[in-house]
Amino acid sequence: KAGVTQTPRYLIKTRGQQVTLSCSPISGHRSVSWYQQTPGQGLQFLFEYFSETQRNKGNFPGRFSGRQFSNSRSEMNVSTLELGDSALYLCASSLSQDPPYSPLHFGNGTRLTVT
Amino acid sequence: GIQVEQSPPDLILQEGANSTLRCNFSDSVNNLQWFHQNPWGQLINLFYIPSGTKQNGRLSATTVATERYSLLYISSSQTTDSGVYFCASEGSARQLTFGSGTQLTVLP
Repeated sequence: KAGVTQTPRYLIKTRGQQVTLSCSPISGHRSVSWYQQTPGQGLQFLFEYFSETQRNKGNFPGRFSGRQFSNSRSEMNVSTLELGDSALYLCASSLSQDPPYSPLHFGNGTRLTVT
Repeated sequence: GIQVEQSPPDLILQEGANSTLRCNFSDSVNNLQWFHQNPWGQLINLFYIPSGTKQNGRLSATTVATERYSLLYISSSQTTDSGVYFCASEGSARQLTFGSGTQLTVLP
């Protein structure tokens, strides 16, 4: 089975622009969650989607948004980029949250640099 | 909210040595997990261990939920074990609260 695929791998944008990141989960996985990793704040939860519905959102401004398509692929969008948005963005997929425990599988991430 | 603290922040070992990484959490946690982040950035799920002890090859983990800590043991370390080790508590809808990590460097 192919793993979680995130594209692009690297991205350079300038302040004020917007960006869209893509995540293709493992086949059959319906839950997709997103995390931001920075040296200062560490790994922080952005949001989670299950069957096209956002079920949970972390403490991030409204500039961060996402969606999930019927094939479970997910995109996240960041508008009006700021320098502080430079980070590694990680996507994870899982079968579900319900018991029995379903492990999270992470992709390689998208490294975003805002200049 | 739940606080997750890890120690030590950095650890340098010679190949073949053993190590213990610690994770303390502030309150009762659900679904305590350990991850390894490789040099390419990918997070690999090592253990799901809300309580008790589990072993997988040279790695083992123990969680004592009543005392709010978890330990990750690495025996006979190899250079490929290098990277950052995170523990995390999982809340609702797959929301993980991560610790700040332990940077492990294994020297040949």
